[in-house]
Amino acid sequence: DTGVSQDPRHKITKRGQNVTFRCDPISEHNRLYWYRQTLGQGPEFLTYFQNEAQLEKSRLLSDRFSAERPKGSFSTLEIQRTEQGDSAMYLCASSLGGGANTEAFFGQGTRLTVV
Amino acid sequence: AQSVTQLGSHVSVSEGALVLLRCNYSSSVPPYLFWYVQYPNQGLQLLLKYTSAATLVKGINDFEAEFKKSETSFHLTKPSAHMSDAAEYFCAVSLYNQGGKLIFGQGTELSVKP
Repeated sequence: DTGVSQDPRHKITKRGQNVTFRCDPISEHNRLYWYRQTLGQGPEFLTYFQNEAQLEKSRLLSDRFSAERPKGSFSTLEIQRTEQGDSAMYLCASSLGGGANTEAFFGQGTRLTVV
Repeated sequence: AQSVTQLGSHVSVSEGALVLLRCNYSSSVPPYLFWYVQYPNQGLQLLLKYTSAATLVKGINDFEAEFKKSETSFHLTKPSAHMSDAAEYFCAVSLYNQGGKLIFGQGTELSVKP
């Protein structure tokens, strides 16, 4: 078990370009979460999956954002027509079960810089 | 709606001194509470969690936190700071039937002086 892995670790893109991030959760974990963290702030919830089903999306997830978990394993987060305000660390987390007291394991994040 | 407030965005202590990081929550129902630590360019690592079994919770690396319902607080303490404790600390709340998502405070950066 290598933990939650995210790829790439860093991404620099020009405004208006599309970007896609990948998250590989811990293998037996059925819950997968995406968070966004801006400088000096705590992570903010974006969306989560139970297996392949996307169960909740935050209002932070505008129409330019889309997330998938096609086979209930890895997940992708795509941002279309990036804006400078999208610059942030994107964190993925996974857990076994979705109870409120369940520990979520976080990846190291993908740092996006939009220039 | 639930929220988390961490008092003090930066805390500085001397090596060997007591660490106290403050966290207050707002919730209309009994919450589950967590403390996570984040080292530079790393993901978040769970330090400890409160799940109603005991109000004093012990975590890794000698950290502990006490849930005080009357004060709606969950402050994090460590008796003796070590240089390796320098990091960002986040308090978070999760509620029953909310899918396990976490609501985080804004974080407290801990510096440890030699």
